[in-house]
Amino acid sequence: QVHLVESGGGVVQPGRSLRLSCAASGFTFSSYFMYWVRQAPGKGLEWVAVISNDGSHEYYADSVKGRFTISRDNSKNALFLQMSSLRAEDTAVYYCARDKDIMLTFGGVINYWGQGTLVTVSS
Amino acid sequence: SYVLTQPPSVSVAPGQTATITCGGNSIGYKSVQWYQQRPGQAPVVVVYDDSDRPSGIPERFSGSNSGNAVTLTISRVEAGDEADYYCQVWDSTSDHYVFGPGTKVTVL
Repeated sequence: QVHLVESGGGVVQPGRSLRLSCAASGFTFSSYFMYWVRQAPGKGLEWVAVISNDGSHEYYADSVKGRFTISRDNSKNALFLQMSSLRAEDTAVYYCARDKDIMLTFGGVINYWGQGTLVTVSS
Repeated sequence: SYVLTQPPSVSVAPGQTATITCGGNSIGYKSVQWYQQRPGQAPVVVVYDDSDRPSGIPERFSGSNSGNAVTLTISRVEAGDEADYYCQVWDSTSDHYVFGPGTKVTVL
């Protein structure tokens, strides 16, 4: 079955960088659009970024555009989120997620989720 | 940017029906998803494309999008339905996925 495992979270100082990873298994990774969604402590869900199946297209939330970069390595079934210029408001659990269906365009259903990795931005 | 609205909370007695609304500009033209998130767990989609249910989701969960009103209805509410529920859409104008603020469902 679909399995998504995030890693790379931790405590980081404001202004520093961090790279999250997501190991995918149980499906043909290269066929699916992938997402990062985050949730600040006690707050709601916030979509962060999405990447097409071949990595050729990506979109970002306004709050992270220019600071975060989503990427993937289809040969290693891995999704990444490179986060730079981190701020206190980036503190959250970051979820890796997969689209429900094989899509040709954006706008699908975020169907499968990992258990998340906590990023804490604090001095 | 596109904004979704939801009531902060809904309380319902066991066996009764809970109705959660989701509002947004011209939301009738969009496909709406609903996610359930129990404390300490990852979200689970309970309704997608306005009214479709993934396999494994009880028929008690239903969605509708009548153009002016988008709702998630939970019939015959059980204690296990206590969770936060989020609506979500894709806004093609901004190329953004948008989540509503969430509704906490409390089973009395």
